[in-house]
Amino acid sequence: EDKVVQSPLSLVVHEGDTVTLNCSYEVTNFRSLLWYKQEKKAPTFLFMLTSSGIEKKSGRLSSILDKKELFSILNITATQTGDSAVYLCAVGAYNTDKLIFGTGTRLQVFP
Amino acid sequence: GAVVSQHPSRVICKSGTSVKIECRSLDFQATTMFWYRQFPKQSLMLMATSNEGSKATYEQGVEKDKFLINHASLTLSTLTVTSAHPEDSSFYICSASWDQNTEAFFGQGTRLTVV
Repeated sequence: EDKVVQSPLSLVVHEGDTVTLNCSYEVTNFRSLLWYKQEKKAPTFLFMLTSSGIEKKSGRLSSILDKKELFSILNITATQTGDSAVYLCAVGAYNTDKLIFGTGTRLQVFP
Repeated sequence: GAVVSQHPSRVICKSGTSVKIECRSLDFQATTMFWYRQFPKQSLMLMATSNEGSKATYEQGVEKDKFLINHASLTLSTLTVTSAHPEDSSFYICSASWDQNTEAFFGQGTRLTVV
């Protein structure tokens, strides 16, 4: 059965800290891995990763995929209180349109 | 990015009534839309995949007669919660994409409260 596992489930840090969120997967016919940020409402898209070893970066956020070891990390440097959210990892496969979501990591950043 | 509009954002209804939630792709054609349910502090749970012009494909354990999905056009899918009960209270989110190779875009979500 396909699955996506995120760790840690929750994380509490202070502003300025750097955090690393993990996403491992076991998905047949892997196509892509996506990261989303969810605050109070619907998820907003962060990154889509399809190739191993190529870092994607957007401001203080970056992400990389390892297709050999079947995981991805999302890094957030110099965290701010506005980074507080649930970060969701989702994996798409070639044989389906569906995304398989992980349980999410709840990040809380305190001043 | 592309825009997916979901309406209403919040609804309160009485037990036994039906509620319709709309999901529209505003600037692209979505042949496939997805409906998710999310319980507090939990991840998204896929309920069904909605394909334009054909019957929706429901995930195991989701009652198709209770959660009616219609995908009448390339830009509109609706989810109707029939004979709602308090246990149906949840956050419902739709998503759509025009291509498997692009990210899915999410609607704003609908918080349903059944009293």
